[in-house]
Amino acid sequence: AQSVTQPDIHITVSEGASLELRCNYSYGATPYLFWYVQSPGQGLQLLLKYFSGDTLVQGIKGFEAEFKRSQSSFNLRKPSVHWSDAAEYFCAVGLTGGGNKLTFGTGTQLKVEL
Amino acid sequence: DGGITQSPKYLFRKEGQNVTLSCEQNLNHDAMYWYRQDPGQGLRLIYYSQIVNDFQKGDIAEGYSVSREKKESFPLTVTSAQKNPTAFYLCASGQGEQPQHFGDGTRLSIL
Repeated sequence: AQSVTQPDIHITVSEGASLELRCNYSYGATPYLFWYVQSPGQGLQLLLKYFSGDTLVQGIKGFEAEFKRSQSSFNLRKPSVHWSDAAEYFCAVGLTGGGNKLTFGTGTQLKVEL
Repeated sequence: DGGITQSPKYLFRKEGQNVTLSCEQNLNHDAMYWYRQDPGQGLRLIYYSQIVNDFQKGDIAEGYSVSREKKESFPLTVTSAQKNPTAFYLCASGQGEQPQHFGDGTRLSIL
């Protein structure tokens, strides 16, 4: 079965600093990969997705992620964090040919210091 | 606007009581999902349905039941057999291998 690991439970960055959130997956083939963001008490909003092709994908709100097959990673990055980026971030993996059933990581809580 | 509506936003359950969480979508998606979210555990799949009148258990189905009589509706019942129901419940829908869309969740607590 596939699995997703987000090794950082909490991350604190200063506003204006760069950000990288880590995500590693375990799956035999190339999965579909997603990053979602959740504000407190809200549902999840899609930031970006990777299906195939260019391994650097751009998303909303200035986020990007890079798929590295050799490292089984799909890390999320932002060059300059804004205070409104404080939220919880989830990495998810879907099976090729498996419809869109997803497996989620445990999430990374981002705090932004002003 | 197309989207997913979950109701109620907050729900309280008494001991021995069954409660039902509503999820409605107008995105014309074939698949619908129920997740449970607990702090530090991410999202865990309870049940999912790929088509009307059919559904499958997810990873933590015990103590829950669902129905899928209409394409747009996928209610979740938390039964009295679920001994630890306090959590945030999220409903999602999807089509093919496109990203899932999520509702705003229902927070269930025990009285």
